[in-house]
Amino acid sequence: EPEVTQTPSHQVTQMGQEVILRCVPISNHLYFYWYRQILGQKVEFLVSFYNNEISEKSEIFDDQFSVERPDGSNFTLKIRSTKLEDSAMYFCASSENRGGHNSPLHFGNGTRLTVT
Amino acid sequence: GEDVEQSLFLSVREGDSSVINCTYTDSSSTYLYWYKQEPGAGLQLLTYIFSNMDMKQDQRLTVLLNKKDKHLSLRIADTQTGDSAIYFCAESGHFGNEKLTFGTGTRLTIIP
Repeated sequence: EPEVTQTPSHQVTQMGQEVILRCVPISNHLYFYWYRQILGQKVEFLVSFYNNEISEKSEIFDDQFSVERPDGSNFTLKIRSTKLEDSAMYFCASSENRGGHNSPLHFGNGTRLTVT
Repeated sequence: GEDVEQSLFLSVREGDSSVINCTYTDSSSTYLYWYKQEPGAGLQLLTYIFSNMDMKQDQRLTVLLNKKDKHLSLRIADTQTGDSAIYFCAESGHFGNEKLTFGTGTRLTIIP
C-alpha cells in the first residue's frame, strides 16, 4: 500500500538554526499537510497546501515557518530560526481530494525535532 | 473553537472487547476518524465515518456515532496484544478534511 514517507526520523538542532523537514506524499494525492505533536500534548494542525499554495494555516504557523513543494514529489517544512518550544514530532500527511469524501488523510511516521 | 475529548487510559483483558469513547463539540463536523499510533510510529488511519451515518463496521472494528450527543466510539472485538497503542479520535469540519482536530488520545493496554 502506498505510504507517506518522512525524513529524517530524528533531527537535532541548536536554537536559532534553520531546519528543513522533508516529506514524500502519496503520488496521486493533491492535498498536503503538516501537523505537530509536542510531547504529551494533542496533535495540532499547522498548515494545508494545495495547487502550490497554502490553503489554510493555524496560529502556530507564523513567519518562522514556510512550506514548499520544490519538485513533483517532495513537500518540505522549513523553520527559519528554531526555538526550544519547536521541539515536537512533526507529521506530514496527504489526501487525494479536499472535502473529505472518501478522502481521509494518510500520515507519515513523523520527524522528531529536538531543539537544544 | 472545536474541541475533541477522550479518556487517557483504558485497560482490557486479551480476548475481551475494547470500547474507546470520544466527544466533540463541532456540530458541523462532516467526518470523524480513528487513528492508531504504535510506539515510535506515525498515525495509522483505522477507520472513519461520515456524519450522516450511525454505525460503520470493518472486521473487528465497529464505530458508533451519536450525532445528537456528539459522541463517537470505537469498539475493538476480541482485543489482541497487537492492539496495544494510542487511539486518536479526530474530526473535520464543514469544509472537509482541510484541518483535523484531534483528541488527546487513549492509551489502550492489553492485560494478558
